[in-house]
Amino acid sequence: GAVVSQHPSWVICKSGTSVKIECRSLDFQATTMFWYRQFPKQSLMLMATSNEGSKATYEQGVEKDKFLINHASLTLSTLTVTSAHPEDSSFYICSARDPGTSGSYEQYFGPGTRLTVT
Amino acid sequence: GEDVEQSLFLSVREGDSSVINCTYTDSSSTYLYWYKQEPGAGLQLLTYIFSNMDMKQDQRLTVLLNKKDKHLSLRIADTQTGDSAIYFCAPQGKQAGTALIFGKGTTLSVSS
Repeated sequence: GAVVSQHPSWVICKSGTSVKIECRSLDFQATTMFWYRQFPKQSLMLMATSNEGSKATYEQGVEKDKFLINHASLTLSTLTVTSAHPEDSSFYICSARDPGTSGSYEQYFGPGTRLTVT
Repeated sequence: GEDVEQSLFLSVREGDSSVINCTYTDSSSTYLYWYKQEPGAGLQLLTYIFSNMDMKQDQRLTVLLNKKDKHLSLRIADTQTGDSAIYFCAPQGKQAGTALIFGKGTTLSVSS
């Protein structure tokens, strides 16, 4: 199946700093990528839909000025957590759909990025 | 919006069958997915079923879909300790590219 990578896999940062997380589709082009966050022992919550070449669509309650999303190419979307605070500590997961798989709406998930804000 | 419900825990013995159930609310869901998440890891796509199917079998996995009742189940035959993980049911909306909506996940514990 298609592969989605994320970088870094784990990051610790100080409160007030910004952190950028990359999501890449390695062997396919993804016009749409999704960003989720997951708190311990909880489900994945959709944060935003990242569209190549246009602005991201944020879910209700997600601050777009805090979670900056850029989808500059068909294989890369980035999520920047600005002025991070301890409550932003979470597991961030991206996914991408492989439009090349005919008739299928399969979505592939990255391995996730564990963010810890101290 | 879509609401997805799953039981939180399931405990089985090695070699038994496991059945994980899921109910959802959006009847327009076209594809319905099952994902597996091991501790500290991302999500692994296990299988999916198209909404015009009642059943899909893939090796040890059997997916049953009751569209009328909006009920989806995942049966794992001959459950192994390596199957211990969290299993997420995730229906997808009608339009291509629509994000998945996840249930809270069912933690499957397999004892030897």
